[in-house]
Amino acid sequence: AQSVTQPDIHITVSEGASLELRCNYSYGATPYLFWYVQSPGQGLQLLLKYFSGDTLVQGIKGFEAEFKRSQSSFNLRKPSVHWSDAAEYFCAVGVGSNTGKLIFGQGTTLQVKP
Amino acid sequence: DVKVTQSSRYLVKRTGEKVFLECVQDMDHENMFWYRQDPGLGLRLIYFSYDVKMKEKGDIPEGYSVSREKKERFSLILESASTNQTSMYLCASSLTGQGNADTQYFGPGTRLTVL
Repeated sequence: AQSVTQPDIHITVSEGASLELRCNYSYGATPYLFWYVQSPGQGLQLLLKYFSGDTLVQGIKGFEAEFKRSQSSFNLRKPSVHWSDAAEYFCAVGVGSNTGKLIFGQGTTLQVKP
Repeated sequence: DVKVTQSSRYLVKRTGEKVFLECVQDMDHENMFWYRQDPGLGLRLIYFSYDVKMKEKGDIPEGYSVSREKKERFSLILESASTNQTSMYLCASSLTGQGNADTQYFGPGTRLTVL
C-alpha cells in the first residue's frame, strides 16, 4: 500500500543551524514527491516537488530536497534556519492516475530557538 | 495567484446538525479535494472531484458527502454532525496536466467544533 512516513513529530533547532526533515515513502512506481509547509493559522503552501530529472530539487525560501530511490526517501534540507521557518511540514506522494491525488505524511512540527 | 477560499474559518455546531462547508477556487481547476487534518495523523482525504458532478471517495468518506454543481465550487456536507468530526477541514484544488505532479493549492481551512 502507498504510504508516507515522517519519523520525527517535533524538531527543535537553533536559529542559524542547519535543518533536515526526514520523509520515507512506499510506492510501487516512480513517485511524484512534494513538500508542503503550513504556518500557524494558514493553509498549506508548496515548498518544492520532484517528478523527474535531477534528484536534488530546489524550492522556495531556501529549501531543497533530495530524492533517493534506493532509500525510498525525500528529505528536506535548509542550510541555515530562520525564526520564520517555524511551522509544520508535510511530505506527500502523488498516487492514482491523473487525478492529482496525494497521500500525506503525519507532519513534522519545527520549532526554532532564538 | 491561485486563490482557494473557504466559507468559514471557525464553525461551532451541535451534534446531529447538518453542516455545509463551502470551498471556491478562482483558477478554473478541474480537481478539487477535501481533507481533514488531525494532530499526529496529517491530512487524510475525504472526497475528491475531478470534474463537475463527478466525485470519488477518499480514505475516510464515512459520515460525509460532497457536491460539485459548478466547476469552481466544491461543498463538503456532514449529514448529521458528530463529536468525532471535530477537526480542521482543508480544501484544495489542482489543474490537470502533469498527472500526479499537479500542485495542489490549499484554502486556509475551517476549524469545526461539534458539541
